[in-house]
Amino acid sequence: AQKVTQAQTEISVVEKEDVTLDCVYETRDTTYYLFWYKQPPSGELVFLIRRNSFDEQNEISGRYSWNFQKSTSSFNFTITASQVVDSAVYFCALGSSGTYKYIFGTGTRLKVLA
Amino acid sequence: DAMVIQNPRYQVTQFGKPVTLSCSQTLNHNVMYWYQQKSSQAPKLLFHYYDKDFNNEADTPDNFQSRRPNTSFCFLDIRSPGLGDAAMYLCATSGPGLAGGGELFFGEGSRLTVL
Repeated sequence: AQKVTQAQTEISVVEKEDVTLDCVYETRDTTYYLFWYKQPPSGELVFLIRRNSFDEQNEISGRYSWNFQKSTSSFNFTITASQVVDSAVYFCALGSSGTYKYIFGTGTRLKVLA
Repeated sequence: DAMVIQNPRYQVTQFGKPVTLSCSQTLNHNVMYWYQQKSSQAPKLLFHYYDKDFNNEADTPDNFQSRRPNTSFCFLDIRSPGLGDAAMYLCATSGPGLAGGGELFFGEGSRLTVL
């Protein structure tokens, strides 16, 4: 069975702190894709990043970075020097090659306090 | 400009009174999805279309139906809403390639309240 677990329900940090959002996944597929989406209060989920199962390179985009480790089935997301605008719910998701079914985690609500 | 547009943003209906939610897209994507998202829960896939090919999830209640008259539009019909159907309904699209690996484009959602 496929599963995505985001154990952190809610995290509060003070502006400029670094914060890491955890994502652990389960799949038996050899080819799969991992995603992070941001859901601001407006409700629209916004795509942040995609990683395929054959690419374990970490990625950095501005203040965002992602750490993919197949050995621990984790795809963690770090925001450096957090800002109030980062406040949102963040979802990790898993897609299997050849299907259009994406499994989402329950999300982590991030509150960045000024 | 918004690429996936959902209407209405907020819908209030009475128990058992049918409701239709709409979704339109300007991306010309082949695949359209309907997700149900309840408070503090993961979005749950109800069904998806690949072009006109309809794919229902096994655990989607019969109370939920969908129509896709053309590439741009997709509708979610809830025939007899119950209190448990109160949720945010999210429409999303993705392109034809890379099944399972395509980025999803979401609308802002339609929040359904059932009285």
